[in-house]
Amino acid sequence: DSGVTQTPKHLITATGQRVTLRCSPRSGDLSVYWYQQSLDQGLQFLIQYYNGEERAKGNILERFSAQQFPDLHSELNLSSLELGDSALYFCASSVGVSGGAGETQYFGPGTRLLVL
Amino acid sequence: AQTVTQSQPEMSVQEAETVTLSCTYDTSESNYYLFWYKQPPSRQMILVIRQEAYKQQNATENRFSVNFQKAAKSFSLKISDSQLGDTAMYFCAFMNLLRGSQGNLIFGKGTKLSVKP
Repeated sequence: DSGVTQTPKHLITATGQRVTLRCSPRSGDLSVYWYQQSLDQGLQFLIQYYNGEERAKGNILERFSAQQFPDLHSELNLSSLELGDSALYFCASSVGVSGGAGETQYFGPGTRLLVL
Repeated sequence: AQTVTQSQPEMSVQEAETVTLSCTYDTSESNYYLFWYKQPPSRQMILVIRQEAYKQQNATENRFSVNFQKAAKSFSLKISDSQLGDTAMYFCAFMNLLRGSQGNLIFGKGTKLSVKP
C-alpha cells in the first residue's frame, strides 16, 4: 500500500458525460501528479499540482481540468467524454520539498474509466 | 524532448533464473533521475528502483539491480533469483531535473515479464 488513495476504483459512463476522479496523497506530500494509461498512448503525464497551485502541464486535453484543495487532495475533472478517454487514471504524490523535482513518486491504485 | 525506449515488449524467465530488461533514453540534459516501476496484474504501480544520474554506482535493491551506462544512455534492470511474484509489466521512467520540468515522469512502453515455474 503506497498510502495514496483514489476513488472511485471503477467508473462506467456514457459519451458526452462529465466525471470527477478524486485523489488523496500520502500524508505530508505536497505534490500531486495525474497520469493516464491507455492501450494506444501508454502512460502519459497529464498535470501536476504543488501545494494547491498548478505546477506543470503535460498532454492534458482542454476538456480535462484538475485542482488541488487546501487539504491537499486533488480532483481530476473529465468532461464531454469520448470513447477514447477510456483508460486507467493514476494519481501519484511526492514530498514536494523541491517542487517535485528529483523526488520519488508513489502511485495510487488508479481509477479505471470506461466510456460507452 | 526526452524519450524512453524499451525494446523488449515481452520476456519470459524460469523461476530462480536471472533476467535483464533493457531501457534506453534520449536526453541532452546531464542532470536527471531514472526509475523502474513494476505493474502486476492488479495494475498498481510499484517503485522497484531508482538511479540518480550523477551517481556512478549502480543502484541495488535486494534481488533488483541496474546497469546504468550514462554515456550510452542505457539503464537496464537485472532481476536475480526470479520469483513467480515478479510476473508483471515493467516500466522504465525518466525524470528531468531541468528547472521548470518539476519532476514529471516520462515512461517507456513497458516490458511484460512472465516468470515460469
